[in-house]
Amino acid sequence: AQTVTQSQPEMSVQEAETVTLSCTYDTSESDYYLFWYKQPPSRQMILVIRQEAYKQQNATENRFSVNFQKAAKSFSLKISDSQLGDAAMYFCASVDLGDDKIIFGKGTRLHILP
Amino acid sequence: GAVVSQHPSRVICKSGTSVKIECRSLDFQATTMFWYRQFPKQSLMLMATSNEGSKATYEQGVEKDKFLINHASLTLSTLTVTSAHPEDSSFYICSASPFSGGTETQYFGPGTRLLVL
Repeated sequence: AQTVTQSQPEMSVQEAETVTLSCTYDTSESDYYLFWYKQPPSRQMILVIRQEAYKQQNATENRFSVNFQKAAKSFSLKISDSQLGDAAMYFCASVDLGDDKIIFGKGTRLHILP
Repeated sequence: GAVVSQHPSRVICKSGTSVKIECRSLDFQATTMFWYRQFPKQSLMLMATSNEGSKATYEQGVEKDKFLINHASLTLSTLTVTSAHPEDSSFYICSASPFSGGTETQYFGPGTRLLVL
């Protein structure tokens, strides 16, 4: 069965600094997708970044990038030049190709210190 | 593009009443829609998946008679919480996908906060 583990319930980072959120997952499939979602205080789920497992290149989206280590089943999110608007709950998630549901981690609450 | 709306954004009701939550895809046809429940400070838990014109598939432990899901059109799915009780108070989020199955391409609604008194 799929599992997604986020070992950091909360993290803080100084504004303009860089922070890395950890995520590990477990799956028996070779084809799958990995995601990072942001849930700000409004509680709207916002897709931050998506990675297809078959792609070796790490996905990037402006200040957000991932370190995808397939063998280690690790999928960390790096936020560069942190901004106050980045403060939110971040969920790591995975979907096995052809599976019927997305599995979310428990989330990491990120605080940005001015 | 890919906007999903939910209505209402918050609702307060008395115990024993039924509440309907609507989820609409505004600019695409949602072949598949998903309903999630999120308790405070917790992650999203999938309740059910629905495909347009078909009966919803419920996750284990979710009462289908309690949480009625209808996906009658390609842009609208509804979740009705029947005979709501205080323990049903939660944040309900829908998502929609233009693809059958569509688990890897989901667009989330803004959520509905339900409080049952």
